[in-house]
Amino acid sequence: GAVVSQHPSWVICKSGTSVKIECRSLDFQATTMFWYRQFPKQSLMLMATSNEGSKATYEQGVEKDKFLINHASLTLSTLTVTSAHPEDSSFYICSAWRDSNEQFFGPGTRLTVL
Amino acid sequence: QKEVEQNSGPLSVPEGAIASLNCTYSDRGSQSFFWYRQYSGKSPELIMSIYSNGDKEDGRFTAQLNKASQYVSLLIRDSQPSDSATYLCAGGYNFNKFYFGSGTKLNVKP
Repeated sequence: GAVVSQHPSWVICKSGTSVKIECRSLDFQATTMFWYRQFPKQSLMLMATSNEGSKATYEQGVEKDKFLINHASLTLSTLTVTSAHPEDSSFYICSAWRDSNEQFFGPGTRLTVL
Repeated sequence: QKEVEQNSGPLSVPEGAIASLNCTYSDRGSQSFFWYRQYSGKSPELIMSIYSNGDKEDGRFTAQLNKASQYVSLLIRDSQPSDSATYLCAGGYNFNKFYFGSGTKLNVKP
């Protein structure tokens, strides 16, 4: 099956620092990837759509200057949380469409901001 | 109005029984529907996809789609304790963003 990886799987950082999360499609090319955030006991919230070679499309209420997305190649999208604060602590998950019209998720990155 | 709605549960069923999970959606133009299973602290795992009206079976799982009534369901036959998880319903357009329901927590009691 399709494999989507994320790195790191967990990260702890100090308030005010920036954190970069990588999402890779390992066995297929993905022109579109999605970034989600999930708080405890809540459902997935779509943050943005990452498009290869163009700007990301952000959902309403998501600050594009705080959550920087770069989709530099057909297999890699990165999410950078800039000037992280404790309220940014969450589970960040990326996903990618395969040509079978099925969306597969990465294993997630748990971010804790102290 | 939420795009996709699910009963949050928890839904409790005894081992070996059929678990029935339901989901409704508001966008009548939605084309693709998916059921994901999510264990606590883990990422969602795709169980089933369904695009056409009717039933789609895969092992112990059957997905049902009724576009006229705008609902999607998932049946789990011979439920096992290992099926205990949160089940997420999602719907949207092909190769585009789609929306998740809030998830239904399923408990299968031994």
